Amino acid sequence: GAVVSQHPSRVICKSGTSVKIECRSLDFQATTMFWYRQFPKQSLMLMATSNEGSKATYEQGVEKDKFLINHASLTLSTLTVTSAHPEDSSFYICSAGDRGREKLFFGSGTQLSVL
Amino acid sequence: QKEVEQNSGPLSVPEGAIASLNCTYSDRGSQSFFWYRQYSGKSPELIMSIYSNGDKEDGRFTAQLNKASQYVSLLIRDSQPSDSATYLCAGGGAQKLVFGQGTRLTINP
Repeated sequence: GAVVSQHPSRVICKSGTSVKIECRSLDFQATTMFWYRQFPKQSLMLMATSNEGSKATYEQGVEKDKFLINHASLTLSTLTVTSAHPEDSSFYICSAGDRGREKLFFGSGTQLSVL
Repeated sequence: QKEVEQNSGPLSVPEGAIASLNCTYSDRGSQSFFWYRQYSGKSPELIMSIYSNGDKEDGRFTAQLNKASQYVSLLIRDSQPSDSATYLCAGGGAQKLVFGQGTRLTINP
């Protein structure tokens, strides 16, 4: 099956620093990737849709200047949490779908803890 | 606002019994529905997908879709302790999915 790799799996950082999370599709090309955030005991909330070669589409209430998304190639999307604060502490998950397939494949997630 | 609703549980089922998980959705335009299993601290794992009305069986899992009632369910037969997890229902189309809040399932030995 299709594999999506996400790195790092866990980050602990100081308030005010920026954190970059990478999401790679390993055996297929993904023109679209999705970034989700999940707080404890809550569901996945879609943050943005990452489109290869163009600007990301952000969901309502998500600050595009704070959560920078870059999708420079068909296999890599990055999410940068800029000037992170404790309230940004969450589980961030990316997903990607193989072209023409409805199914989404998820990365392993990144647990971000901002001190 | 497109919504997917699930009972958050927890749902406790004895080992060997049938676990029944339910989900409703508001967007009649949704074409695809999925059940994901998520263990604590891990990312979701696809269990079942269903696109048309009726039942779809895969091993111990059966997904049921009723578009008229906007209802999706997942049955787990012969429940095992390893089935204990949070089950997420998702609906949508073109890969953009809306997730329910998840149902926490515990299988008691």
